[in-house]
Amino acid sequence: AQKVTQAQTEISVVEKEDVTLDCVYETRDTTYYLFWYKQPPSGELVFLIRRNSFDEQNEISGRYSWNFQKSTSSFNFTITASQVVDSAVYFCALTPRFDSSASKIIFGSGTRLSIRP
Amino acid sequence: GAVVSQHPSRVICKSGTSVKIECRSLDFQATTMFWYRQFPKQSLMLMATSNEGSKATYEQGVEKDKFLINHASLTLSTLTVTSAHPEDSSFYICSVGSSTNQPQHFGDGTRLSIL
Repeated sequence: AQKVTQAQTEISVVEKEDVTLDCVYETRDTTYYLFWYKQPPSGELVFLIRRNSFDEQNEISGRYSWNFQKSTSSFNFTITASQVVDSAVYFCALTPRFDSSASKIIFGSGTRLSIRP
Repeated sequence: GAVVSQHPSRVICKSGTSVKIECRSLDFQATTMFWYRQFPKQSLMLMATSNEGSKATYEQGVEKDKFLINHASLTLSTLTVTSAHPEDSSFYICSVGSSTNQPQHFGDGTRLSIL
């Protein structure tokens, strides 16, 4: 079975603090994709990153960074120097097949991040 | 610009009404589209996979007679919530795969409120 677990339901930090959102996944597939999405209060899903199961290199994009560790089945997301505009619900997700365009996406339960000024 | 157009963005209607939601792929042809549902403060759950020219595939527990899906063309899939009731109030969002092995594109979602 495939499953994505985001144990942190809500996180609240003060602006400029660093914050890490945890994601643990389960899958029997040897090839798969992992994702992070941002959902602001307006509701739309904003794609942040896709990582394939063969690539364990960490990735950095501006204030965002991702740490993928296959050994612990984790794909954690860190925001450095957080800003109020980062406030949103963040979803970690998994597609169980390699062709992510034709596969259903399995979402974690989401982490609600609040950045206080 | 937007790759996927979902309409309407918000619907408020009386119990017993049927509501149609459209998901339109603007830039490419899509043989497969996905419909998700999100209850307040919960995650997105796949309802069904919409296949162009054939029947939709529904996830376990989703009533296919209540949530009618039509994917009559390569750019349009519709979800009709028939005889909607307050418990159907939710956020419905579609996604489209653009080409092989590329991330799916999501519509902006439809917030459905049944009074």
